[in-house]
Amino acid sequence: EAEVAQSPRYKITEKSQAVAFWCDPISGHATLYWYRQILGQGPELLVQFQDESVVDDSQLPKDRFSAERLKGVDSTLKIQPAELGDSAMYLCASSKRTGIPNTEAFFGQGTRLTVV
Amino acid sequence: AQSVTQLDSHVSVSEGTPVLLRCNYSSSYSPSLFWYVQHPNKGLQLLLKYTSAATLVKGINGFEAEFKKSETSFHLTKPSAHMSDAAEYFCVVSEWQAGTALIFGKGTTLSVSS
Repeated sequence: EAEVAQSPRYKITEKSQAVAFWCDPISGHATLYWYRQILGQGPELLVQFQDESVVDDSQLPKDRFSAERLKGVDSTLKIQPAELGDSAMYLCASSKRTGIPNTEAFFGQGTRLTVV
Repeated sequence: AQSVTQLDSHVSVSEGTPVLLRCNYSSSYSPSLFWYVQHPNKGLQLLLKYTSAATLVKGINGFEAEFKKSETSFHLTKPSAHMSDAAEYFCVVSEWQAGTALIFGKGTTLSVSS
């Protein structure tokens, strides 16, 4: 069964350091999402890609966060510099394409980030 | 803009009793609606989705959800809870017509006691 792959699973970093997360969506999925989930809350969208283009990054803190999907396949999310408040689970998800009804997203296992 | 409200942050039931997790949504369109489940230290898994084919949707593990357009609700139910149902449940809405992403509710923690 096809899965969304994320790495690393866990990351501990010091405040002010740079950190990067990687995601490989299900093959053939044009839409890729990065969500952040703070403990005890629902996932919140950070950025949405359709192929290599950003569809929505309105909630991405652009002063420190960046995301890219250069070839429209895998994606990297970067934080520089990391702050204590960035500690959370970072989830990657993919779906077949935006604009199709009833199209669910498939989620990876996530990267648990702890900033110390 | 779309939004979703899960009316209970925590629901506790006994094993074998019915489960009801409540969800209301707001949307400018006829959105897509989903329920996802997240077990401890596990990824998010799709439980069921509303496809407009029927107002009562069946999902995995005996869960169902009823879509009520007049009440803008999409409540999740199960006739008989099992210990393994203990998890976090998320109601999710998507305005696919606008190409927007899935928007999650804050979640409901389901506890099941023996």
